[in-house]
Amino acid sequence: SQQGEEDPQALSIQEGENATMNCSYKTSINNLQWYRQNSGRGLVHLILIRSNEREKHSGRLRVTLDTSKKSSSLLITASRAADTASYFCATDASNEKLTFGTGTRLTIIP
Amino acid sequence: SQTIHQWPATLVQPVGSPLSLECTVEGTSNPNLYWYRQAAGRGLQLLFYSVGIGQISSEVPQNLSASRPQDRQFILSSKKLLLSDSGFYLCAWRPSGRYNEQFFGPGTRLTVL
Repeated sequence: SQQGEEDPQALSIQEGENATMNCSYKTSINNLQWYRQNSGRGLVHLILIRSNEREKHSGRLRVTLDTSKKSSSLLITASRAADTASYFCATDASNEKLTFGTGTRLTIIP
Repeated sequence: SQTIHQWPATLVQPVGSPLSLECTVEGTSNPNLYWYRQAAGRGLQLLFYSVGIGQISSEVPQNLSASRPQDRQFILSSKKLLLSDSGFYLCAWRPSGRYNEQFFGPGTRLTVL
């Protein structure tokens, strides 16, 4: 079963605006990861946040983690057309496998 | 550097035919290996994973099987394909240990007719 559920399922914004995606999960985790998938391609890792971290930055990406609410958010600032893709959160509870959410499809309108 | 190869890129097979998808990893040893299936516009479903040669964990009962004959080789197979086996199959590897990301192959688009 899917551990993570992303919200919203789809998001369309104007280029230059910020995009926020949320992820909720059900069980305790060691870390949570965000991935990006361009249409018809494999997934690419974006950022990993450990369970004892609350916020992490990487370039235009900002990830937060609230283990008490079992939720995470991914913020992409100053969006670009090239950011158009699907974004997935993945939880790691066992150090052996990741459980992926259902994804948010992000469209950046030029 | 590490690379992951997955082939073929696309495949069209008739119902009832066999299947063999291959995935190989270069530049690392003793990786964890994974097979996922993704339905159109959906999330990833973990099918099998392996933490070592000959060690296969199956996540969902289905018409598929997996094997790891060599350290860096992971094969997904079926004796008789079903229509429901259509989808986008992704292989991935991950270093063993904590706090590691997964690296995905380019995927195989399988259509069963």
